[in-house]
Amino acid sequence: KAGVTQTPRYLIKTRGQQVTLSCSPISGHRSVSWYQQTPGQGLQFLFEYFSETQRNKGNFPGRFSGRQFSNSRSEMNVSTLELGDSALYLCASSLDLRTDYGYTFGSGTRLTVV
Amino acid sequence: GQQVMQIPQYQHVQEGEDFTTYCNSSTTLSNIQWYKQRPGGHPVFLIQLVKSGEVKKQKRLTFQFGEAKKNSSLHITATQTTDVGTYFCASYSGGGADGLTFGKGTHLIIQP
Repeated sequence: KAGVTQTPRYLIKTRGQQVTLSCSPISGHRSVSWYQQTPGQGLQFLFEYFSETQRNKGNFPGRFSGRQFSNSRSEMNVSTLELGDSALYLCASSLDLRTDYGYTFGSGTRLTVV
Repeated sequence: GQQVMQIPQYQHVQEGEDFTTYCNSSTTLSNIQWYKQRPGGHPVFLIQLVKSGEVKKQKRLTFQFGEAKKNSSLHITATQTTDVGTYFCASYSGGGADGLTFGKGTHLIIQP
């Protein structure tokens, strides 16, 4: 079956712009989580969505937001981009919240802010 | 939210040597998950441990969960070049308010 699909793979934006990233989970997976990965901070949890509702949120400013659609696809938006937002953004899906079967990650979107 | 601390940050081994990474928490963990990320890749789920003192094996990999559920380890026997990557432990906070929190990872570098 198809894995977790993230688009686009690469993105270059200018400081102050906004960006929207997309994630299509594995078919049947209802939970979608987003992570920011940087060399210095590692994998940091952004938020988790389940049944179109944000269930958990990490310690990120309000410029970071997301949503989930009825087909479980998810988007995350970052407004007023800063240089420090340059990172690999990973989406992960799972069957359920707090799953015993682990999360399946997508290949990520590499965002560069210049 | 809770934090899981991983050590060491980097580990250089000769091919064929063993490797161990440790994950520690100051609070009791409800569970621990382990992931592997190859260079340039994305994290891949390896296993979940839930019970106190639990030990699970996957071929050359042995995963342990401490008796107090505050620490965990991943041991690889006779490393191979295919084991190269970063190994992460991750856990949910006890209160359930946070998502899956990852440790900083251990980078395994293997010298042939």
